Amino acid sequence: DQQVKQNSPSLSVQEGRISILNCDYTNSMFDYFLWYKKYPAEGPTFLISISSIKDKNEDGRFTVFLNKSAKHLSLHIVPSQPGDSAVYFCAASDPFSSGSARQLTFGSGTQLTVLP
Amino acid sequence: NAGVMQNPRHLVRRRGQEARLRCSPMKGHSHVYWYRQLPEEGLKFMVYLQKENIIDESGMPKERFSAEFPKEGPSILRIQQVVRGDSAAYFCASSPGTSGTYNEQFFGPGTRLTVL
Repeated sequence: DQQVKQNSPSLSVQEGRISILNCDYTNSMFDYFLWYKKYPAEGPTFLISISSIKDKNEDGRFTVFLNKSAKHLSLHIVPSQPGDSAVYFCAASDPFSSGSARQLTFGSGTQLTVLP
Repeated sequence: NAGVMQNPRHLVRRRGQEARLRCSPMKGHSHVYWYRQLPEEGLKFMVYLQKENIIDESGMPKERFSAEFPKEGPSILRIQQVVRGDSAAYFCASSPGTSGTYNEQFFGPGTRLTVL
């Protein structure tokens, strides 16, 4: 049972254009959402996060939008750069899972390729 | 300030052997998480530990897998009698950890286990 889903395994975008990566979730108890970026043979690197009390968080070229009623979040990258090419994972945290464990539940990832 | 360190980066074992994966958290972090990534999938939570305590092992297979985080030294993920299905990337993450709030998890580079 996948609680966090990234339905697009890959996305190609031209340099300078907007990249939009999508993520859907089913667990309404999730209260914190994160995006991680991962290069081959490296660990995930934190990119940006959003609390469920907000619907938007912006950090430079990266903006995350949260639509709680639709249980959907998206990551916008503007403008996209070739160095952004990586796998992007959506992750969520449920405060009621295992006490204070705060484990992350990850989606399966989207491979973003930014073409020069 | 060194990041999360994992070793070895690559580990090859034959079926039936034991695999030991090590993780040193970031300085000042007392919470360690282990995740497993199977090919073409997202990261799956395995276990959450604090010093000398296993807090949540709900993601650990019931047999052959164990984890520890001793008072001194790195956290160890141990897999006994490995099988081919154990082949995966194993990631460790650490956080400072404060009960009731979310703390960002910082990931290590991972150990890629190959079982022949």
